[in-house]
Amino acid sequence: AQSVTQPDIHITVSEGASLELRCNYSYGATPYLFWYVQSPGQGLQLLLKYFSGDTLVQGIKGFEAEFKRSQSSFNLRKPSVHWSDAAEYFCAVGGAGNNRKLIWGLGTSLAVNP
Amino acid sequence: EAGVAQSPRYKIIEKRQSVAFWCNPISGHATLYWYQQILGQGPKLLIQFQNNGVVDDSQLPKDRFSAERLKGVDSTLKIQPAKLEDSAVYLCASSHKTNTGELFFGEGSRLTVL
Repeated sequence: AQSVTQPDIHITVSEGASLELRCNYSYGATPYLFWYVQSPGQGLQLLLKYFSGDTLVQGIKGFEAEFKRSQSSFNLRKPSVHWSDAAEYFCAVGGAGNNRKLIWGLGTSLAVNP
Repeated sequence: EAGVAQSPRYKIIEKRQSVAFWCNPISGHATLYWYQQILGQGPKLLIQFQNNGVVDDSQLPKDRFSAERLKGVDSTLKIQPAKLEDSAVYLCASSHKTNTGELFFGEGSRLTVL
């Protein structure tokens, strides 16, 4: 079955600390992987995506993610968190084709302590 | 470029009443999606349009939900009659024809059913 698991429902970090949000997936074909961020009261915004090539991808706002096929993971990282990074983070997986359907994780809520 | 526009942002109704949400996607985006996001959960795809045709409506509760995209541009999602469990944020998203999987989301319409 196709699925996305974000093991951490809620994470709290201190401002300036490093961050890693975990994402594991189960997908029968070559996955396209995404991280979206949702700030309070806002829609979702794409942080980064992986289709092929270099397994370390850079995104907006200083985020990066690494695709590890052997571990079926696509973890999101940031070396130094800012207070404005407090938000909900969603991992999603899809496949090739114009009508692909994204499979979404349940999200990880990030709180940042000053 | 203008983003995905949605209205209304907030709506409170009583159960068994009806409600309609409107979405105007990014200009030139052929694919339009309606998602339901219940508090604490990831987005759930309700319906996907490609131009004015339905690609996927497998998770749309068709006894009470309907959606249309008559001219292949803006779209309306209707709920009639509403139930308590329909309380959620309804997100509209659009993507370009080439559909690399990157979705552009509106800010959402928050529905509260009393």
